[in-house]
Amino acid sequence: DAKTTQPPSMDCAEGRAANLPCNHSTISGNEYVYWYRQIHSQGPQYIIHGLKNNETNEMASLIITEDRKSSTLILPHATLRDTAVYYCIVRYSSGNTPLVFGKGTRLSVIA
Amino acid sequence: DAGVIQSPRHEVTEMGQEVTLRCKPISGHDYLFWYRQTMMRGLELLIYFNNNVPIDDSGMPEDRFSAKMPNASFSTLKIQPSEPRDSAVYFCASSKGWGLGETQYFGPGTRLLVL
Repeated sequence: DAKTTQPPSMDCAEGRAANLPCNHSTISGNEYVYWYRQIHSQGPQYIIHGLKNNETNEMASLIITEDRKSSTLILPHATLRDTAVYYCIVRYSSGNTPLVFGKGTRLSVIA
Repeated sequence: DAGVIQSPRHEVTEMGQEVTLRCKPISGHDYLFWYRQTMMRGLELLIYFNNNVPIDDSGMPEDRFSAKMPNASFSTLKIQPSEPRDSAVYFCASSKGWGLGETQYFGPGTRLLVL
């Protein structure tokens, strides 16, 4: 079972920042937070991951609260092509533990 | 690199027929994963291989499903006999490793419809 809770859907105006929340209140100290997204009719695409520090790459930023019980994925300037389902996943840092995908958040970027 | 390649992209078959899905992972990747996605159950891991050896097939729904990886550049997922409830999108993914920071790269999927 997925160990995260995400809102089922969100809207965002094109050009604005999209902030996607994720609750993972039962996260343990050796679990990372991963974000993937799935654009319609495509396979999931890796976005970013982190443990406790905020992370940024060319696609997005990941903000993790100090208690690590929640995080926010930020797309700084959303475009229509960012319309997708976004999955927040927690995963152990050791061993070959699988990625468990929940239902994710369906983000609609509106012109 | 062309990414993970899957074929066919779409498959329509009749109940009872054998279905074979194919996957070519990214060159140099040691791990290969097969997933199934349905509206009801979401994205589920079926089986994964490491260096062509099946490691965990606990997600394979039943004996009608089988997967092989005869070499590092090719894998198949076979359903025999197929049933309407097998209708889903099947994704193949690969990664260099499976530790932290190793990301899985997914193929475009095979959309299977069993009538």
